[in-house]
Amino acid sequence: SAVISQKPSRDICQRGTSLTIQCQVDSQVTMMFWYRQQPGQSLTLIATANQGSEATYESGFVIDKFPISRPNLTFSTLTVSNMSPEDSSIYLCSAAGSVHRGYTFGSGTRLTVV
Amino acid sequence: QKEVEQNSGPLSVPEGAIASLNCTYSDRGSQSFFWYRQYSGKSPELIMSIYSNGDKEDGRFTAQLNKASQYVSLLIRDSQPSDSATYLCAVNPEAGNTGKLIFGQGTTLQVKP
Repeated sequence: SAVISQKPSRDICQRGTSLTIQCQVDSQVTMMFWYRQQPGQSLTLIATANQGSEATYESGFVIDKFPISRPNLTFSTLTVSNMSPEDSSIYLCSAAGSVHRGYTFGSGTRLTVV
Repeated sequence: QKEVEQNSGPLSVPEGAIASLNCTYSDRGSQSFFWYRQYSGKSPELIMSIYSNGDKEDGRFTAQLNKASQYVSLLIRDSQPSDSATYLCAVNPEAGNTGKLIFGQGTTLQVKP
């Protein structure tokens, strides 16, 4: 399975600012995804990061708030824009070579907005 | 109706017992099913995947899938305190395209010594 390096591991940010989270995979992967996990909750899919094209967002998530880049098959970024305290959460990236190979997660970014 | 449903628990079992974790899903076209384990403060870790009806065994873990009933379960034999974690059921609701996973809310398992 792919190994994912995600950074930063945590950050405390002022409201109104933006934070960019990076994920680097140790091998080329077909699929990359971004999830959010609220404290004590399960994972909610934000978007599918598409290589070389615009991300595919799930209902309730928009590009202006969560712009995503995926310039190649090993790297993706998620930006949380114009942050508010409601954005405080853990953000996780996930990757897989194929559905049948299983999905690996990065170590997560714990974001606190004050 | 949620796409993937699990009892949140906690499910408490004594050490050495069998823990049974259940999950139902709403999309009949779902093809791939996964169980993840998540320790507190850590990211999810894949422990089992299953794609065909029936049982799949890997060590102390057995995944069971019944597509007709839209039901997938995870059995943990000889449960150990180190198995105490939240177990997340995940389903790929589409046949082979984006590959996205939809997660249930997770079941917290407590294994008591």
